[in-house]
Order: sequence, then C-alpha cells, then structure tokens
Amino acid sequence: DAGVIQSPRHEVTEMGQEVTLRCKPISGHDYLFWYRQTMMRGLELLIYFNNNVPIDDSGMPEDRFSAKMPNASFSTLKIQPSEPRDSAVYFCASRVRGEKLFFGSGTQLSVL
Amino acid sequence: LAKTTQPISMDSYEGQEVNITCSHNNIATNDYITWYQQFPSQGPRFIIQGYKTKVTNEVASLFIPADRKSSTLSLPRVSLSDTAVYYCLVGTGYSTLTFGKGTMLLVSP
Repeated sequence: DAGVIQSPRHEVTEMGQEVTLRCKPISGHDYLFWYRQTMMRGLELLIYFNNNVPIDDSGMPEDRFSAKMPNASFSTLKIQPSEPRDSAVYFCASRVRGEKLFFGSGTQLSVL
Repeated sequence: LAKTTQPISMDSYEGQEVNITCSHNNIATNDYITWYQQFPSQGPRFIIQGYKTKVTNEVASLFIPADRKSSTLSLPRVSLSDTAVYYCLVGTGYSTLTFGKGTMLLVSP
C-alpha cells in the first residue's frame, strides 16, 4: 500500500485566493483526519470523518475552511479566501477503527 | 481527556540511551499511553503503545510505573536519524487524537 497520499506537496498562493488540498486515505480505512501544524500551536485536529461522514469539525478555525469526503478514497480541505495566517503544514491521516493513525507527508501551504 | 506534560526539547549524542518522560497525573483507568515520532517534513508515525509495566518493540521500550501517572519512552543507542519530535498521547486505545507540542530530540555526532 502506498500509504496516505496528499497533494500538492507544496502550495504557494496569494492572499484571497482559494486553496484546495487533497488526500487519498489508505484503502480500507474508515476514518479520515485533517490536521494543521504550526510552530506556535503544534499539531491541531481540524476535522475528522467516519465512513465519509463528518463527525467532529470543532477544530475548523472559521467559515473560510471547509472539508468534504465524497467517497471512501478521496477528501478535500478548502480554504476560501486564504489569508497569510493560514500558512502551515496540513496533514491528512487515516485509520481503521480502534487502530493507530497513519499520516501522509503533508502539504506545506504558504499564503503571501 | 488526560493532560500530558513532556519536556520541550532534549539533546543527546550518538550511541547513548535516551529516556523521554511524559507526565499524565489524571490518567483514567481505561486510558492507554501511545507515542508517535515525527521526522522533519513528514507526518507523525506510531512508535509504541502500552497500558502498564513495560512494552518493548524493535524501535523503543515504554516503561509505565504502577501508578501510571507517568511513562518513559526509552530509545536505546540513538543515532542521528532518531532526531525527531516525540509525542505522548493518553486516551482510550487509539482514540486519542490530541498531539500537543511534543519533545524535540536532537542527536549530535
């Protein structure tokens, strides 16, 4: 298995632009998680899905952030409009219920 | 959720044993202790999990005293490639999703 696959690896955009981050979880995993990592706040859980249904989005910072999981093999995290303070590394992770987390390599987002 | 406290950073040299202690004074009866490791430019990866006493695998050992209010991750004979951030998580099985800031371990030649 290729593991959790995230794209793009790096994203540089200008303030106000829409940003879409993508994630392909490990096949057979029924939980998917989006995290954000910054030096100041560490690794924060933004939202997670179970069987494609959002379960807890309390970590989503504001309405500019949205996440979808249209099927078991794909999820997106969208920021619209983006702001410089959104600059961070965004990680996607997946797991089977009751098992450990598997993380992707992350997307380094820079908003200028 | 049990709150965890770890040192912000630690320094070591190649070949030494490193012990990272995590305090979790309000750990619940059903809680497990799980450690993840994060290398630069990568996502965290699972290292080890335990409930009590000692657990050992090919990467590390985890020591948990009888009162379970703390735990120690032990890395034998570290190398430069062990430089990473180490996270201690406490919760029911693998359900804990809160990572905190972790401990930055720097291994020098």
